[in-house]
Amino acid sequence: NAGVTQTPKFQVLKTGQSMTLQCAQDMNHEYMSWYRQDPGMGLRLIHYSVGAGITDQGEVPNGYNVSRSTTEDFPLRLLSAAPSQTSVYFCASSSFNEQFFGPGTRLTVL
Amino acid sequence: AQSVTQLGSHVSVSEGALVLLRCNYSSSVPPYLFWYVQYPNQGLQLLLKYTSAATLVKGINGFEAEFKKSETSFHLTKPSAHMSDAAEYFCAVSNFGNEKLTFGTGTRLTIIP
Repeated sequence: NAGVTQTPKFQVLKTGQSMTLQCAQDMNHEYMSWYRQDPGMGLRLIHYSVGAGITDQGEVPNGYNVSRSTTEDFPLRLLSAAPSQTSVYFCASSSFNEQFFGPGTRLTVL
Repeated sequence: AQSVTQLGSHVSVSEGALVLLRCNYSSSVPPYLFWYVQYPNQGLQLLLKYTSAATLVKGINGFEAEFKKSETSFHLTKPSAHMSDAAEYFCAVSNFGNEKLTFGTGTRLTIIP
């Protein structure tokens, strides 16, 4: 099992550019989520999904889009990047017993 | 609504000393409570979780936490600190099991040789 994988590990964008952060899991979990981590603020929930075709907003959804076409994949899209979106992004998937986190994507928006 | 407060953004202890990291929560329903550890440039790893069974929860690496409803607390302890315990620790709460976690702001633990 690879667990939760995220690509890329690092990314630098210019303001206004778009990109997609990829997340995949091979544990057949229905629930997946995206968090952002900022210094002194812990992790904040951006979007989550309870299964293929079903997504919902978390605490800080503005500026981000998600979709869930398969159980395995849950990409996070930035349509027009802003410096305020500079952060470390973590994807997670949950079983009944535990939430598993990916290694993170460090995004810098100039 | 759910929220978590971690007291102390930085804690330093000597090697071999007691580790105590504080977490207080707010929840409108009986909560699930979690402690995660994050080593530099890595993702989060679950240390332990409380799910309304035993109030004293034992986790990995010798850590444990006690759920105290009257104090709305879930403090993390370890009797004897090791150098390898240096990391950032996050307390989290959820009203939804393992989903929709709300995290505290984290406590960075430094171990003094």
